[in-house]
Amino acid sequence: EIVLTQSPGTLSLSPGERATLSCRASQSLDSSYLAWYQQKPDHSPRLLIYGASSRASGIPDRFSGSGSGTDFTLTISSLEPEDFAVYYCQQCARSPYSFGQGTKLE
Amino acid sequence: EVQLVESGGGLVQPGGSLRISCAASGFTFDDFAMHWVRQVPGKGLEWVSGINWNGERIAYADSVKGRFTISRDNGKNSLDLQMNRLRPEDMAFYYCVKAKGIAVGLSAFDIWGQGTRVTVSS
Repeated sequence: EIVLTQSPGTLSLSPGERATLSCRASQSLDSSYLAWYQQKPDHSPRLLIYGASSRASGIPDRFSGSGSGTDFTLTISSLEPEDFAVYYCQQCARSPYSFGQGTKLE
Repeated sequence: EVQLVESGGGLVQPGGSLRISCAASGFTFDDFAMHWVRQVPGKGLEWVSGINWNGERIAYADSVKGRFTISRDNGKNSLDLQMNRLRPEDMAFYYCVKAKGIAVGLSAFDIWGQGTRVTVSS
């Protein structure tokens, strides 16, 4: 089973600042199979990034993903008020298709 | 509009059974794999089960294997999850999720339903 560990658990920033969220896999992962999701309170998750670096439909270009092997990063270049939420990484390479524990951006 | 609408959640006693369903619309249902993901309120996401486009490939999380059964009806654009021998730790919101591809793995989850709540309590 691939375990994903996200850091930090909570990230405290202000609008306009840059956010860098980390996701580390317990074993090497083809970057094609790493995704990032955003979840706001009382809402379903939303796909942001797939294939480690491809933005999903309608996602602003301030969101970007990078990484390979075991280390992946989600970057938000300049935070907007609506970006404060919980972010999850996920691997879809091998069952079980695990999620990280989440990073809360506050 | 692409939409996934779950139904069938509710209160069930430990050891009991429940079947939840998902109605899909706005896309060609049998072109995509589907999944169930659950979330305890205030906690993280847990993948539960997935099924490929034609139902011939299925995967389960170890925590539900042997108790839950996923199925799909491409003629009715629907996805089901039959949950037997329910435990208190199965209590969660259950999301119906569409994958970007046809295989049960190898593609991200691009459309999520709003979830249906399953409560397991005596």
